[in-house]
Amino acid sequence: NAGVMQNPRHLVRRRGQEARLRCSPMKGHSHVYWYRQLPEEGLKFMVYLQKENIIDESGMPKERFSAEFPKEGPSILRIQQVVRGDSAAYFCASSLDRAEFGHSGNTIYFGEGSWLTVV
Amino acid sequence: EDKVVQSPLSLVVHEGDTVTLNCSYEVTNFRSLLWYKQEKKAPTFLFMLTSSGIEKKSGRLSSILDKKELFSILNITATQTGDSAVYLCARPGGGADGLTFGKGTHLIIQP
Repeated sequence: NAGVMQNPRHLVRRRGQEARLRCSPMKGHSHVYWYRQLPEEGLKFMVYLQKENIIDESGMPKERFSAEFPKEGPSILRIQQVVRGDSAAYFCASSLDRAEFGHSGNTIYFGEGSWLTVV
Repeated sequence: EDKVVQSPLSLVVHEGDTVTLNCSYEVTNFRSLLWYKQEKKAPTFLFMLTSSGIEKKSGRLSSILDKKELFSILNITATQTGDSAVYLCARPGGGADGLTFGKGTHLIIQP
């Protein structure tokens, strides 16, 4: 009964390096969402993907950040040339259907997060 | 961007006390309001509220929505140390498919 699995749980990168965060959704889920939680801030939506498609990337920074959800394998959030301001917890969530948040029981399930520290 | 504002930002009480956490929101095209509990790891879903005035309960936790005044409260009765967590309020928005979260209320229950 595995939930949403994220790895690595903790990642340290030097400024300018690349960070890759992986997310395996719950079994049977094909909808994945990435959120970022900066220190002392709430979770902020970044991107919503279905298999092989980016559906909504309105919360993604315009540069250095990209996400994919290939046909096989986990979803990956990639941050190129990291800066100190990228230090945050990155949460992945998944859902069985598109999460419209208007119907009881239709919700998303979060992973335990990946903590990125840029030094 | 539509806002979600939670108060208080932090709260320390003793075991057995009752607490009320507040969430106010600005929104157009209201769909729902959600509450999550976050204990240093994955936020876990508590409630989704869509109708005004109907209380939702789960054990010692309950929540209600006031769509006219644009706020929701989360009540926890007979608190226990295991209730210590950050409680997040969220509403759809900030992206068509995303949730906009408040900053959370950091609740600490002292034995």
